[in-house]
This record gives sequence, structure tokens and C-alpha cells, in this order.
Amino acid sequence: DIQMTQSPSSLSASVGDRVTITCRASQGISNYLAWFQQKPGKAPKSLIYAASSLQSGVPSKFSGSGSGTDFTLTISSLQPEDFATYYCQQYNSYPWTFGQGTKVEIK
Amino acid sequence: EVQLVESGGGLVQPGRSLRLSCTASGFTFGDYAMSWFRQAPGKGLEWVGFIRSKAYGGTTEYAASVKGRFTISRDDSKSIAYLQMNSLKTEDTAVYYCTRVRVYDSSGYYQRDFDYWGQGTLVTVSS
Repeated sequence: DIQMTQSPSSLSASVGDRVTITCRASQGISNYLAWFQQKPGKAPKSLIYAASSLQSGVPSKFSGSGSGTDFTLTISSLQPEDFATYYCQQYNSYPWTFGQGTKVEIK
Repeated sequence: EVQLVESGGGLVQPGRSLRLSCTASGFTFGDYAMSWFRQAPGKGLEWVGFIRSKAYGGTTEYAASVKGRFTISRDDSKSIAYLQMNSLKTEDTAVYYCTRVRVYDSSGYYQRDFDYWGQGTLVTVSS
């Protein structure tokens, strides 16, 4: 199975900060990577697919990059509504696997 | 508007069965693959299984933890995807989500996009 490792596990940042979350795959996955945002008690929401394609309706402050084993999700200017947990997921091979999540808190 | 609504969750004893439904609207259901995910209380996301559209054979894939116990099927005439869960274990306790999976050609390779998620349904396996 491909292991996905996110870092950090949690972070605290101020409104307006640029935030970067990294995701590393235990083996190469090309660009078969998605990012999701989940708020407490809610279903996950798709942000990014194919490593860098912005989901329709998602603000352009979110961006994704990377290929192979190393990926990043960047929030260019953190806003209070961005308080959430973020997950990466690989779908290069079965079983599809997730990172453990990164909890973003607002300072 | 695309909507996915899960139903069928509830409290069930270990060893028993339960069938979840994912009712879709707002798009041509038969044109899309569907997938199920779950999230145990306080834990991260876990993939459960996947069913291709009929155009790609309608075949299925499963996580090892559920293979042989869970079965995914689809009724395109009703726009419903099902998750039949047999021989349930306490560790199957989770919120179960269905997702739409958009499959598209990207420079000769198939890409996937898990673009819409249902609100989830809670399954509790306990005696």
C-alpha cells in the first residue's frame, strides 16, 4: 500500500498568512493526488484534483503543486473560514490512501 | 444542482448486515463512477470501495479491510449506488460517505476527480 504522510499534523496561523501543507507519498504517484477540506461535523469538500487542478467553485487562494512523491497545498491568504482539517489522497493505485490530516487553526 | 444523499445507516449488532444507499440527482448518474469512503469517530478518512460506470464495465474495487464482506452495486435506472455490508464488525463503526467520481482523459491517461460528496450516514456496530 502507498503511505501518505502529511506535515505538519497541525498548525496555527494568523489571518492573511500564507500557509503551506506538504504531503509525501511512499512511492511515486505521478499527479494522481487530491486535496480535501473538512470542517467539523461536515463532509469533506474537494479542493484540488490531479495535484494542481482547482475544483470548480473553489477560491483561487487555494493551489496545489507537485508530482511524483512530493506535493503541497498552499492557501495564499488565510481567512477565518479556512479553519478546517485538510487531507491529501492518492488514487494512483489501489487501495486509495489518505494522509493523516493537517488541522489548521486560526491564531 | 448535483446532490448525493446517503441513507440506511443506524445501529446494528456485530455479525449482522446493513445496506446503505446513495441517491443521486442533478446529473446523468450512469455516466459516472461512484466511490464509498468512511470516517471512524475522531479519525481520518478511509477509502472503502469503488464502482466503475457501465461504460467501463461496472466493475468494483475494495479495500482489504472490507473485501469479501462489503459489496458495491449500482442501479442506473434509479440513480442509486448501494453499499451492502455483511458480517459487520465493531471496527466498521463510522460515518459513510458516497462520492461521485468524474473520470476523464488527460493526455492519454485516465484522471479522476472526486468532485461531489454526500452528507454521510452514521453506522454504529455495537451489541
